[in-house]
Amino acid sequence: DGGITQSPKYLFRKEGQNVTLSCEQNLNHDAMYWYRQDPGQGLRLIYYSQIVNDFQKGDIAEGYSVSREKKESFPLTVTSAQKNPTAFYLCASSTTGDGQPQHFGDGTRLSIL
Amino acid sequence: AQSVTQPDIHITVSEGASLELRCNYSYGATPYLFWYVQSPGQGLQLLLKYFSGDTLVQGINGFEADLKRSQSSFNLRKPSVQWSDAAEYFCAVGVGTASKLTFGTGTRLQVTL
Repeated sequence: DGGITQSPKYLFRKEGQNVTLSCEQNLNHDAMYWYRQDPGQGLRLIYYSQIVNDFQKGDIAEGYSVSREKKESFPLTVTSAQKNPTAFYLCASSTTGDGQPQHFGDGTRLSIL
Repeated sequence: AQSVTQPDIHITVSEGASLELRCNYSYGATPYLFWYVQSPGQGLQLLLKYFSGDTLVQGINGFEADLKRSQSSFNLRKPSVQWSDAAEYFCAVGVGTASKLTFGTGTRLQVTL
């Protein structure tokens, strides 16, 4: 079945360490997105990409980086510059065009040791 | 800038009772509108979307939403709630071809027996 796979499901980071969250999709979608979810704040957009080798900052990009070398993959790196990284991270993808819904993975929960 | 407001943080209904979750949007024109549902520790699942046409939109699992342009609202309804409907519900709006979505802060639904 087609879908979006995020790994790992749980991730722990030490102070000063960079960590990378994986997101892979086999839906043949051009666009991919990363969101951060905190209790009571809904989903906030970190980065998005509408085509391979191109991506744009979302609303809360500071302390994060991404790459889009393949259509299927959109990894997110949480750098040591992100001072409050503990959150639930969701990856999504969609076709481009008017009104296209996004399809979501099951998320990665990142915690600080 | 477009925005989405879900006024109710938490709603409790009895099993078998009707449900209405509120969503208000702010934008110059009618945007594309979506409702998603999230179970704890999971990703978001699309319930329904409004693209154009009929303002009463049918979704999965017996849900529907009613677009009222005069009130800038897109409320989610279900005539008879089930125990399994307990989850968090998010309203989202999208504009144009960028496929970016803006999410509300969510409404947590609790269902009592």
